[in-house]
Formats: sequence, structure tokens, C-alpha cells
Amino acid sequence: ETGVTQSPTHLIKTRGQQVTLRCSSQSGHNTVSWYQQALGQGPQFIFQYYREEENGRGNFPPRFSGLQFPNYSSELNVNALELDDSALYLCASSLGAGGQTDTQYFGPGTRLTVL
Amino acid sequence: QQQVKQSPQSLIVQKGGISIINCAYENTAFDYFPWYQQFPGKGPALLIAIRPDVSEKKEGRFTISFNKSAKQFSLHIMDSQPGDSATYFCAAFSGAGSYQLTFGKGTKLSVIP
Repeated sequence: ETGVTQSPTHLIKTRGQQVTLRCSSQSGHNTVSWYQQALGQGPQFIFQYYREEENGRGNFPPRFSGLQFPNYSSELNVNALELDDSALYLCASSLGAGGQTDTQYFGPGTRLTVL
Repeated sequence: QQQVKQSPQSLIVQKGGISIINCAYENTAFDYFPWYQQFPGKGPALLIAIRPDVSEKKEGRFTISFNKSAKQFSLHIMDSQPGDSATYFCAAFSGAGSYQLTFGKGTKLSVIP
């Protein structure tokens, strides 16, 4: 086990609603990254937080937002849900600032279904 | 736009055989290439990684071969075992701008007894 936990495990929402997904990183890990994994696809980078500041963002619209807290927990918020947002959402934590050799430890993910 | 192309999509190998998964990239800003293994219901886990200044890296039964001029890299799993059955993702890391991993679409490996 990686020590990274995510909640909830599964979630069903309807189009237009808002959702908050939660992640608990390994203690001491300063960086958390969030990924969207559509069925049959590789994870796609959403954004990364280092010490509570966003320090990287992928090609996702502003309705995807996040927060990182001092207690090594973080949130992914998605507003105005669309059908295409249905996916597995993964968080990954790492010890350092997110550099190339900073191993990312993934949680098991939250499966979001948008109807 | 898919920046890391991975093939094959699925692979069936007999126990004891060699599994080979290939990836190609275009972005020359990529400077680190990890491979991840994902079992059903779990998140991806780092398997092995290589820098572009190295042509080969071996860890146990797993070997990465890297061809910088061709912008291609591959994962070889020697003596494949049923426990290796999983989805494998190649990835590329770019530190330019923002730190982010770009993943391939994955290869589902099935090792049959």
C-alpha cells in the first residue's frame, strides 16, 4: 500500500452538479498531483500543488480547481459537471517539490460517474 | 494531442516468455521516462525509470531500453509470470514550465500459464 487514501471510492452525480473529491497524502509529502483517468486511457495530469500553492496545471478548464491543506490532505473540486467528466480521479503524493525523480505515490482513485 | 504513443494496446504472453511494450514521444523537453504498473482497483505504481542520457536500465526482470535519436523507449519483462498480469503505462516527465507526467494509453498484459 502507498499510504495515499482517497474518498469516496465511488460517486454518482448528475450533469451540472458540483463535486468534491478528497485525498490524504503520506505524512511529510509536500506535493500532491491530481489526474483524470478515462476508461481505457492513461492518467491525464490536472494540476499539482506544492506546499498549498498550485505549481503546475494541465489542459483542464478552470471549473477544475483544487486545494491543499497543511495536514497533508487535499481536494479536487469540479463545477458544472459534464458527462465527459466521468472517469477515475487519482491523486498522487510525493516528498519533494515534484521534480523528475520525486516518486509519485498514487492512491486507489475515486470513480466518478456523471449521468 | 497524444504526446506519448504506446503499443500494443494488449499483449498475451506465455509464462516464462518475454513481454515487450513500446513507446514513442515527440516532445524533446521530456527528460525523464518512468514506467508504471497498475492492477485493477489500484492506482499506478512506479516500476522503473530512465533518464535520456542512459541507453538501458535493468532492475530484476524489468529492463528499459532507450533510443534518444529515435525518441523511442521500451519495457522488456523477462521470464514473465502470471503475477505480472496488469496494465502498464509508459510516461514522460517535463520539468519545463510545470512539473507534469504525460502518460501513454496503457498496455494490458496477460501472462498465461
